[in-house]
Amino acid sequence: GAVVSQHPSWVICKSGTSVKIECRSLDFQATTMFWYRQFPKQSLMLMATSNEGSKATYEQGVEKDKFLINHASLTLSTLTVTSAHPEDSSFYICSAREGASEQFFGPGTRLTVL
Amino acid sequence: AQSVTQLDSQVPVFEEAPVELRCNYSSSVSVYLFWYVQYPNQGLQLLLKYLSGSTLVKGINGFEAEFNKSQTSFHLRKPSVHISDTAEYFCAALDYNQGGKLIFGQGTELSVKP
Repeated sequence: GAVVSQHPSWVICKSGTSVKIECRSLDFQATTMFWYRQFPKQSLMLMATSNEGSKATYEQGVEKDKFLINHASLTLSTLTVTSAHPEDSSFYICSAREGASEQFFGPGTRLTVL
Repeated sequence: AQSVTQLDSQVPVFEEAPVELRCNYSSSVSVYLFWYVQYPNQGLQLLLKYLSGSTLVKGINGFEAEFNKSQTSFHLRKPSVHISDTAEYFCAALDYNQGGKLIFGQGTELSVKP
């Protein structure tokens, strides 16, 4: 199957700083990428959907100015958590798909904000 | 809008015993269903999917699921589990009416004991 990578796999930062997470499709062109957030012992919550070259579509309740998503190429999307606070600590997972095909998930990024 | 319900949050089972993880979805004109497995601190791995055709779907690691349209169910089964099957399992439905989003159930924690 297709491979999606995320970097970094974990990050610890101080409150008030910004953190960037990368999501890459390694062997296919990801026309659409999704960003999810997962709290411990809970399901995945979709944050936003991004199509290459377009602005991301955010789910209700997700602050677009806080969670900046860029999908500048067919293999890379980034999520930047701006002015991170402890409540932003979570497991962030991206997924990608080419056209209307299956979604492939990245391994996730554990963010801890001190 | 599509919704997915996993009826059991936790399922403890002994090694080599059979297991069934339950999933129900809200009815829709067309439905595409998936089961994913998530090991601790990792992303999601696709176990199996139902798009059309045979209602009995076989997946990886010896898992299978049966699509039952009349009961709007897609239960996951394995005849004999291993310790290594201990993980979180998510049922999901693809909702093209919502832009092709994956709608996840709440997850079921499968705990296999020796």
